Amino acid sequence: GAVVSQHPSWVICKSGTSVKIECRSLDFQATTMFWYRQFPKQSLMLMATSNEGSKATYEQGVEKDKFLINHASLTLSTLTVTSAHPEDSSFYICSATLFYRGASEAFFGQGTRLTVV
Amino acid sequence: GNSVTQMEGPVTLSEEAFLTINCTYTATGYPSLFWYVQYPGEGLQLLLKATKADDKGSNKGFEATYRKETTSFHLEKGSVQVSDSAVYFCALSPVAGGTSYGKLTFGQGTILTVHP
Repeated sequence: GAVVSQHPSWVICKSGTSVKIECRSLDFQATTMFWYRQFPKQSLMLMATSNEGSKATYEQGVEKDKFLINHASLTLSTLTVTSAHPEDSSFYICSATLFYRGASEAFFGQGTRLTVV
Repeated sequence: GNSVTQMEGPVTLSEEAFLTINCTYTATGYPSLFWYVQYPGEGLQLLLKATKADDKGSNKGFEATYRKETTSFHLEKGSVQVSDSAVYFCALSPVAGGTSYGKLTFGQGTILTVHP
């Protein structure tokens, strides 16, 4: 099946610094990717929809200036957590939608565990 | 808005026991329904899906039937294995084939632990 790769798989950063997470669709093009956040022992919450060539669409309550999303190509979306703080520590997961033969399916990256110290 | 409610866990079973994890949903129209599995430290893997009423999704011995009359998509397996230990998420997507497909609403997840 299709593969979505996230990088890095884990990162530790200091408070106040910025961290960039990459999401790549390795063998298909994705005009739309999604970013989710998962708190420990909780479900995944959609943060934003990343649209190739246009601005991302953020869910209510998500700070767009803090979580910068760029979808510069059909195979790459990036999430930058700016001025990170300990409360931003979480598991971030991206997904990309593959359309085929009139159907579609979402494929997920392996996730990035961010720890802000 | 859309929502998914899952049976609360954790669920602990002995190997070869029968598994049911309940899932109900609220949505307008005809959403597609999914079960995803997450192993420790990993991302999500699609386990099975159903895109219309009365469809049955199945994979690796797991099954779930899309019941529109009860707005449910319960996950079942007749005989669980230790390797099935993971977190299971029920999810829905608003429209099959649409550009918003893949924009998923997840249930809270159910932790399954299977003992030998």
